[in-house]
Amino acid sequence: DAGITQSPRHKVTETGTPVTLRCHQTENHRYMYWYRQDPGHGLRLIHYSYGVKDTDKGEVSDGYSVSRSKTEDFLLTLESATSSQTSVYFCAISERQGGLAKNIQYFGAGTRLSVL
Amino acid sequence: AQSVTQLDSQVPVFEEAPVELRCNYSSSVSVYLFWYVQYPNQGLQLLLKYLSGSTLVKGINGFEAEFNKSQTSFHLRKPSVHISDTAEYFCAVGSQGGSEKLVFGKGTKLTVNP
Repeated sequence: DAGITQSPRHKVTETGTPVTLRCHQTENHRYMYWYRQDPGHGLRLIHYSYGVKDTDKGEVSDGYSVSRSKTEDFLLTLESATSSQTSVYFCAISERQGGLAKNIQYFGAGTRLSVL
Repeated sequence: AQSVTQLDSQVPVFEEAPVELRCNYSSSVSVYLFWYVQYPNQGLQLLLKYLSGSTLVKGINGFEAEFNKSQTSFHLRKPSVHISDTAEYFCAVGSQGGSEKLVFGKGTKLTVNP
């Protein structure tokens, strides 16, 4: 998985509790992403980062926040988990090649989150 | 804004048969195009990519795809599938000279039967 580690791999939590998912990379890539995967929806971008402390929202960012204090770590936080956030979460990384954005993304193994 | 349509949500085929998974995209700028494969309970793995040059792109595991700009398509093909090709396949589009983001299709579940 291209030097990308997601933790935890599985988590069960209760509605209203905070949850933090971690993505750690060893590739020193500048760009990092969080997606959620749901049946019938494919992958949808939650948040992404284009550098340390530089983040931006994706298409489904409501209820999620992120932080990136080091190049290698990108954290996704659900401040107060809801059942609608039950999903599989994927982290991805990418890097420019020759100064050009070529959008080639590499994915972690995923975190399966269940909110009861 | 960009979008991707994968025309078939499920494709069942028999082993050793040919297969085509269809992908159409919409974009107002020049694009990069990708196919990813996801085996059960795993992350997404890059299958092949079109960045520039030849419109016929070859990937891993015997797959290939053809970029057709006039039809805004990037269909994935394999002449003879194996049981091990059973997986979900995602088409994705990115913009040249733009952001680092990708837009994904909703996926096509390929099931290869003996």
